[in-house]
Amino acid sequence: QKEVEQDPGPLSVPEGAIVSLNCTYSNSAFQYFMWYRQYSRKGPELLMYTYSSGNKEDGRFTAQVDKSSKYISLFIRDSQPSDSATYLCAMTPGGSQGNLIFGKGTKLSVKP
Amino acid sequence: AAGVIQSPRHLIKEKRETATLKCYPIPRHDTVYWYQQGPGQDPQFLISFYEKMQSDKGSIPDRFSAQQFSDYHSELNMSSLELGDSALYFCASSLSGSLDTQYFGPGTRLTVL
Repeated sequence: QKEVEQDPGPLSVPEGAIVSLNCTYSNSAFQYFMWYRQYSRKGPELLMYTYSSGNKEDGRFTAQVDKSSKYISLFIRDSQPSDSATYLCAMTPGGSQGNLIFGKGTKLSVKP
Repeated sequence: AAGVIQSPRHLIKEKRETATLKCYPIPRHDTVYWYQQGPGQDPQFLISFYEKMQSDKGSIPDRFSAQQFSDYHSELNMSSLELGDSALYFCASSLSGSLDTQYFGPGTRLTVL
């Protein structure tokens, strides 16, 4: 079993819909949680970053972390066709073990 | 804002050849990470450096080596290339003490024929 599980999709939604993406993990040592967006053949782009449990909002994006359930989510409001990409969750214990452990990524398609 | 620079962007090699990938981190970033992403896969951590010293090691084959130089740029050296080494290789950089926020470069696409 992978340390980080993420449904690969694909997920197809109409423009304007609210998108919910999520990951579960098994390592309770993870403290830092990120969401990256990756367009085809491009490098991952950092979208959201959260430390420990809680919510964080940035424009149309909201990240939630529930450490008690080992569950993280990314919500996208008013989704746009330009949001079509693969969304990767990533996490790390931090400190000297700063390398990121990624989920498989969810491929999102927002239809006009 | 300046981003992570990787070169070359594309590289084609034959089996058993060697390859060198270069990474230039965001200015003032002192930590570099290397990841390998196979087709349809998530990025897998290879190795990282902090202040020119290896800080962590992941699933990097013995045929690969890397180092970080005094100007903080890093090079990934790959020898005896195999078909299975064909992948996207990403470099990410961060600033120590920045709560491990890593910024990725555009990647080098390596194709081994």
